[in-house]
Amino acid sequence: EVQLVESGGGLVQPGGSLRLSCAASGFTFSSYWMHWVRQAPGKGLVWVSRINSDGSSTYYADSVKGRFTISRDNAKNTLYLQMNSLRAEDTAVYYCASVSLHNWNWGQGTLVTVSS
Amino acid sequence: QAVVTQEPSLTVSPGGTVTLTCGSSTGAVTSGHYPYWFQQKPGQAPRTLIYDTSNKHSWTPARFSGSLLGGKAALTLSGAQPEDEAEYYCFLSYSGARVFGGGTKLTVL
Repeated sequence: EVQLVESGGGLVQPGGSLRLSCAASGFTFSSYWMHWVRQAPGKGLVWVSRINSDGSSTYYADSVKGRFTISRDNAKNTLYLQMNSLRAEDTAVYYCASVSLHNWNWGQGTLVTVSS
Repeated sequence: QAVVTQEPSLTVSPGGTVTLTCGSSTGAVTSGHYPYWFQQKPGQAPRTLIYDTSNKHSWTPARFSGSLLGGKAALTLSGAQPEDEAEYYCFLSYSGARVFGGGTKLTVL
């Protein structure tokens, strides 16, 4: 069974940094593209970033480009999201997701709150 | 970056039919955008209903169907059930980036 467990969220001041992690199990992590998606409280889903299976290709939403960095460690079956220069509008639950045979598997999410 | 638009809310009667649409600020939505449709209920993770415009997963109820309609991606629900009340998101691919629509809150009433 696919399991994705996010961690690393919390309260951070504007301009601060956080690194989110997503521990994957139950599938061959190194074979799949991975995504980060966020959802502000009471709002819709927003795609944030994706990374290919070996980490050599990454894409970002314009709203986070230059501030966020996605990466992965296939030896540790872990996906990361380094978030710098955080803004109030980055406040959201952040989900990692894997896509296998056109089905998205989601973690439970980790809440990031950007506030002074 | 492209903006993907959906109806903010729609209401359908039980047993009725409703079509949700998904447009793109860049022009017509095509099969090359590989449209997905997700269903999300409160407190739950999204569930994939439709992929690549019209393909269903084994768990997708037969009453849901996907298509391209008038330059948009469309999700049609025929024979709405109370359990279909949820938020529905379309999702489009643009070369490297991906974009979700703003979501449609579907009420079955």
